Amino acid sequence: DGGITQSPKYLFRKEGQNVTLSCEQNLNHDAMYWYRQDPGQGLRLIYYSQIVNDFQKGDIAEGYSVSREKKESFPLTVTSAQKNPTAFYLCASSYQGRQPQHFGDGTRLSIL
Amino acid sequence: DQQVKQNSPSLSVQEGRISILNCDYTNSMFDYFLWYKKYPAEGPTFLISISSIKDKNEDGRFTVFLNKSAKHLSLHIVPSQPGDSSVYYCAASGGYAGNNRKLIWGLGTSLAVNP
Repeated sequence: DGGITQSPKYLFRKEGQNVTLSCEQNLNHDAMYWYRQDPGQGLRLIYYSQIVNDFQKGDIAEGYSVSREKKESFPLTVTSAQKNPTAFYLCASSYQGRQPQHFGDGTRLSIL
Repeated sequence: DQQVKQNSPSLSVQEGRISILNCDYTNSMFDYFLWYKKYPAEGPTFLISISSIKDKNEDGRFTVFLNKSAKHLSLHIVPSQPGDSSVYYCAASGGYAGNNRKLIWGLGTSLAVNP
């Protein structure tokens, strides 16, 4: 049963801490993406990766970092430099970078 | 600057009737358009797409129409069912045959289908 798994579903962070959001896919997709959604807003692209060991900044990359060491995995780290990290984070993947993108069920990050 | 606009935040229709969700875009470089459906606390689910070389694409109860001259697309759901109640997002991509990785999203339209 192929899909995209994001964990955890809910995450809490203290001020000044880094946190890492997990995204794993078994769809054999080459490209993976991270989006952020705020209330009443559309999705905004944080980072994307077309192949292993390569990734590009999206529109709102400041305060975030990613790695792509394996095809199946694309973790996102929300650093303490991200001043407004409370949001719903969505991971997506697509075959060879083509549309459509397929999404996981998201991680909701809140600041304590 | 919102390049993809869904001007109706919400829409309410009766079960069995047609639902029409609208989307306008400003960037003439967009050449591939997608509709997604999203429930709260879940990821978007892909519904249907259309390339700029077409003006209509149909999949079951869902049809997307594209009017390039007006930079407008619409999603028709016929007949509407209560299970269609959700938020619908329009997204656009520019580049060769939609292969550009970046999707630009609208703000969504919340559809309520009443029994």
